[in-house]
Order: sequence, then C-alpha cells, then structure tokens
Amino acid sequence: DTGVSQDPRHKITKRGQNVTFRCDPISEHNRLYWYRQTLGQGPEFLTYFQNEAQLEKSRLLSDRFSAERPKGSFSTLEIQRTEQGDSAMYLCASSLRQDQETQYFGPGTRLLVL
Amino acid sequence: SQKIEQNSEALNIQEGKTATLTCNYTNYSPAYLQWYRQDPGRGPVFLLLIRENEKEKRKERLKVTFDTTLKQSLFHITASQPADSATYLCASLGGSASKIIFGSGTRLSIRP
Repeated sequence: DTGVSQDPRHKITKRGQNVTFRCDPISEHNRLYWYRQTLGQGPEFLTYFQNEAQLEKSRLLSDRFSAERPKGSFSTLEIQRTEQGDSAMYLCASSLRQDQETQYFGPGTRLLVL
Repeated sequence: SQKIEQNSEALNIQEGKTATLTCNYTNYSPAYLQWYRQDPGRGPVFLLLIRENEKEKRKERLKVTFDTTLKQSLFHITASQPADSATYLCASLGGSASKIIFGSGTRLSIRP
C-alpha cells in the first residue's frame, strides 16, 4: 500500500441518479477527509472522519450527500439525486492524528452529471 | 471570512529561471501555510509547510517564505525545469482543528 486510492476514477451519470465513491486511505492513517474541486478552484473541504467517527461536515455537504467510514478503514461518499452542479472532482485524503497537518491525497474521482 | 488568495493568472517562465508564486491570506492569522503541487487530473501532492514563527524554509530547489506583516507567503522554484510545470496550491488550517482552506492555485508553465 503506497498511497490513498479512490474508485472509480471517472463516473458519468444522469441527473437524478445516485452515485457512490470509495476511498481507501493509507493503512495506518486514522483521519480521512473528503474534498470537492471544480475547474480552476482549489479543493473545498466537505467532511472528515477520525477512525469511524464523522467529526465535521461543511455547509457544502447538503442532505443529498452522505459519507461513512464504518470500520474506520475505507470510506464511501454517496450523492443522491445528482444534479448537474455536482459535477466536480471528489478528492479523498488521509493523515495521521499526530501529524494532521500533512494530508496525503488520492487521485480523485471525476464526476460528470449529464 | 478566512480567505487564501493566489494569482489566478498563469505564470510562464523560461527554463533555468526562478519561479516565484504568491499567496496572500486575509481575515485570520494561520499558524502555518502549506504548498501543494497538482498535476492535471491528479490529487494535490504536499510539498512544504512553513510555520508562523519561521521566516524561510527550503527543500532542494524549493524555498518558501512567510511574512506575517504582509500576510503573505512566497514560493520559489530555483533553476526551474519543464517538469516543474503544474498548478501550485497554497493552503492553511482554517476554522477548525482539521479543516484546510486552499487557494485557487497558480498554474506554472516552464518553457524549454
């Protein structure tokens, strides 16, 4: 395990469909973060977990979005009833609690909602 | 609200020259600033972190400065190479113990 992995790398869906993304963090990292990035912008924080507990959620995370990390390892981000405005790159990052300043990012999942 | 601003215009420079990118922050005093590199279609990669009590930090051809008076960080790449072409993001802790705020990034192109 050399880094954070995300699956799928690309997703095209029709408006109104549900999508789910998976993130596998670096194995010993107990913190996991989700970000959203649109073209020409920096990543925007969505939510983060420490182990299995979801400790903070951004106001960007509407009620159509839900994230889980059931066993404190991998995490899923689900978007229900997708809208065209959800089209973006969804990035996952992980860090050690004692070194939370250094976050390691995955390659991202690029979502296109038609 | 807390904000990090980077020059959104692309920076184009000749190979071998020093590239200098600017990051300004407003409405807060970050304990540290970070710089990331992002290639198209990839996630950001952490490069350097500089704390508020450090004026300068270096790593190989990279140098970062932190000026709390000007509320600014400068990121330098010396002896630039075409492989340095990428978008560079400035980031800092903002608002909570774990929330990182990113600037919009500056795209750097190094021409041979």
